[in-house]
Amino acid sequence: GENVEQHPSTLSVQEGDSAVIKCTYSDSASNYFPWYKQELGKGPQLIIDIRSNVGEKKDQRIAVTLNKTAKHFSLHITETQPEDSAVYFCAVRSTGGGNKLTFGTGTQLKVEL
Amino acid sequence: NAGVMQNPRHLVRRRGQEARLRCSPMKGHSHVYWYRQLPEEGLKFMVYLQKENIIDESGMPKERFSAEFPKEGPSILRIQQVVRGDSAAYFCASSPSSSQIGEKLFFGSGTQLSVL
Repeated sequence: GENVEQHPSTLSVQEGDSAVIKCTYSDSASNYFPWYKQELGKGPQLIIDIRSNVGEKKDQRIAVTLNKTAKHFSLHITETQPEDSAVYFCAVRSTGGGNKLTFGTGTQLKVEL
Repeated sequence: NAGVMQNPRHLVRRRGQEARLRCSPMKGHSHVYWYRQLPEEGLKFMVYLQKENIIDESGMPKERFSAEFPKEGPSILRIQQVVRGDSAAYFCASSPSSSQIGEKLFFGSGTQLSVL
């Protein structure tokens, strides 16, 4: 089955700096790559996603890049703010895996003042 | 448009009891997914259902766990004879279609199950 690795597990940045979280996956047939933000006591919230036919997607301060050859994708958050502090999960959908998502282990992002 | 609704938010059971977790998908969504999250871990897929059908249950433990999504009413995740290892947050997600790619999953706020 699909294997998703996520790094780093924790990330601390100063307010205004950029944060980058990386994920690798194992199934070259994977075709959909969402990122979720989870705040304490809440469910995961979809923040951005990308399909396999696109290399980069941006939404205001958030961007995702995909390298299909290397089988990795990254989340970029610019001009970080304290409210960006949360756990971020990458996920992957494989064509052979039905419609389910396989999640990474999460990154605890802390934005310090 | 209400989001994915899960209840209860917190559920406490003693070992050997049954736990029933409910999930109402977003309006217009006919696909439901259940995930389990252990402390400081990612979400692990359990089961994928459509109305009256189990599509993929590859992540469900072989015993004590079952799920349904009836024609009317919410999806139910049922855990019989709970053990302490079942303590976790259980999340439900829904999606509107069966298209293979670009299908967005929307999650509920979860049910925190604690087994004493």
